[in-house]
Formats: sequence, C-alpha cells, structure tokens
Amino acid sequence: QKEVEQDPGPLSVPEGAIVSLNCTYSNSAFQYFMWYRQYSRKGPELLMYTYSSGNKEDGRFTAQVDKSSKYISLFIRDSQPSDSATYLCSLTGNQFYFGTGTSLTVIP
Amino acid sequence: NAGVTQTPKFRVLKTGQSMTLLCAQDMNHEYMYWYRQDPGMGLRLIHYSVGEGTTAKGEVPDGYNVSRLKKQNFLLGLESAAPSQTSVYFCASSPIFSGNTIYFGEGSWLTVV
Repeated sequence: QKEVEQDPGPLSVPEGAIVSLNCTYSNSAFQYFMWYRQYSRKGPELLMYTYSSGNKEDGRFTAQVDKSSKYISLFIRDSQPSDSATYLCSLTGNQFYFGTGTSLTVIP
Repeated sequence: NAGVTQTPKFRVLKTGQSMTLLCAQDMNHEYMYWYRQDPGMGLRLIHYSVGEGTTAKGEVPDGYNVSRLKKQNFLLGLESAAPSQTSVYFCASSPIFSGNTIYFGEGSWLTVV
C-alpha cells in the first residue's frame, strides 16, 4: 500500500466553480500536510501547509485535514483559468511523501 | 533570488552515454534531494544528502550516483544511460529534513534514445 493515494484526474471545471482535490494516507504519524502546485514544465511550488486537523484558509484556497479518517483536501473557490495546473499533496513523516498529483483544467 | 537552479534543462542522450545533472541552491539549506517524476508514478526519491560530503540512497537509486562536495551543490550522475531513465528530474532542498516545506528546481528533461 502506498503511503499517500491521490486521484490523478484529470479534472476539468468551468471558471468560477468550486474544486475539491483529495488525498488519503495510511500512516497516522505524519506531521505536516502540504499542497503543492505544479504548472506545466515547471517544478512544484508550495501552496499551503498545515499540521493539525481542521481547516486552514488562504484567499480562495482552503486546506482541510481529517486525521481520524486520514484524509486531506484542498478546496479552490471561484476557480480561475490561472489555477490550471497539477496539484500534489505531500505529507511529512520520516521523509517527504508525495501524491501522484491531480491535473486540473479551469475552462474560461 | 534564484532558489534552486538546475542545469541543463533539456538533454537527449544515447543509450550507454554518461552525463551529470547539476543542482545549486542559494538558501544555505543542509538537505538536498534528487527526484524523478514519471506519469502515474509521481515524485520518486533517487538520492538525498543531509549535509556537505554526505549522500544516501532513496527509493530508486539504481543507475544513478550523486556527490555533494560543496553545501550548495548536489550533482546527479548517470554512468551508462538507459531508456528507462527517460524522465523529468527535479532537484530540491529543505532547511529541515522532515519539515513543512521543500523547494524544487525547475526540472531537467532527459530523453535517452
């Protein structure tokens, strides 16, 4: 079983839609929960991180962690074409673990 | 501010050739990493370093060697390239080994024919 599972998509939504991206994980010892955004032909860059259960909001982005269910989510409100990218979840335990990424396209 | 810089960005190799990917970071980070990213496989750790002069194997180290002679540089070598090593390679660095962020370079696209 992989440490982190992420639905690869692809996901295609109209501009203005609410997007939900999700990952599940297996190890309850994970400490940090992060989301990275990767544009085409670029390296991943940190979008948000949290270390506890609950929600963390940053503008149009909300990261949610449910440690009891081992489930993390990223919500994007009022999605924009500039949000089109691949989103990777990442968890930290004794090393960095990454999901395989979900490809998102926001259609104008 | 450069962050993590990788060279070259694109390279085509013939099977059996050797090459070195160069990575430099200007954030004074102790920890550096080389990942490869393949469709459906995500990011897989090849080798990493916990400080100048140290290296360690990651998840997929076979066919690769690394060196960290200076704190700011981490080199990835392919001694005898194989088509299975066609991939996108990312160098990364972090201030803490298992912290809350890791900084990636722009990537190096390698094709082995």
